Amino acid sequence: ETGVTQSPTHLIKTRGQQVTLRCSSQSGHNTVSWYQQALGQGPQFIFQYYREEENGRGNFPPRFSGLQFPNYSSELNVNALELDDSALYLCASSLGQLREYGYTFGSGTRLTVV
Amino acid sequence: AQKVTQAQTEISVVEKEDVTLDCVYETRDTTYYLFWYKQPPSGELVFLIRRNSFDEQNEISGRYSWNFQKSTSSFNFTITASQVVDSAVYFCALSASNTNAGKSTFGDGTTLTVKP
Repeated sequence: ETGVTQSPTHLIKTRGQQVTLRCSSQSGHNTVSWYQQALGQGPQFIFQYYREEENGRGNFPPRFSGLQFPNYSSELNVNALELDDSALYLCASSLGQLREYGYTFGSGTRLTVV
Repeated sequence: AQKVTQAQTEISVVEKEDVTLDCVYETRDTTYYLFWYKQPPSGELVFLIRRNSFDEQNEISGRYSWNFQKSTSSFNFTITASQVVDSAVYFCALSASNTNAGKSTFGDGTTLTVKP
């Protein structure tokens, strides 16, 4: 079975632009979480999607939005990019909502805002 | 509010040395989960262990061992006889009882360098 795949791997955008990051979850997984990891810091929870509905959100402004599709793949959209949005964006998927389920992480998308 | 503190930013050891990575957490929940992840240069987080707050038994898996002490809110990770392949960033994380592991709070990580 394939793991979590994220695209693109690297991206450079200009301040004020919009960006879409993509995540293909592991086969059979219906839950996807997105994290932002700034350089030298730990991942910060952005939001989670379960069966196409947002299921929890961290302390991020509304310009961070997401989607989950019927095949459980997911997108993270960021509008009006700021320099501080430069980070590694990680996607993680899971079989479901139970606390016992673990999450499989992708290798991330490295976003640089200039 | 939850918080995870990994006070050691960087640790450097010589191969075959033992090394302990510290993790201290804060939560008001009585039930919670603690995790350790490894992040190699490729970027993905590799799951190492999950511990339920009710289970204070220490765990050993090969060269890895974990010491959970609820009284001091610590969940430390020891690598015995370290190897160069252990070089990575290690994260400790916490998830509350009313949520799932996908909404975890992470520490800022400890960068471990194992020199040959």
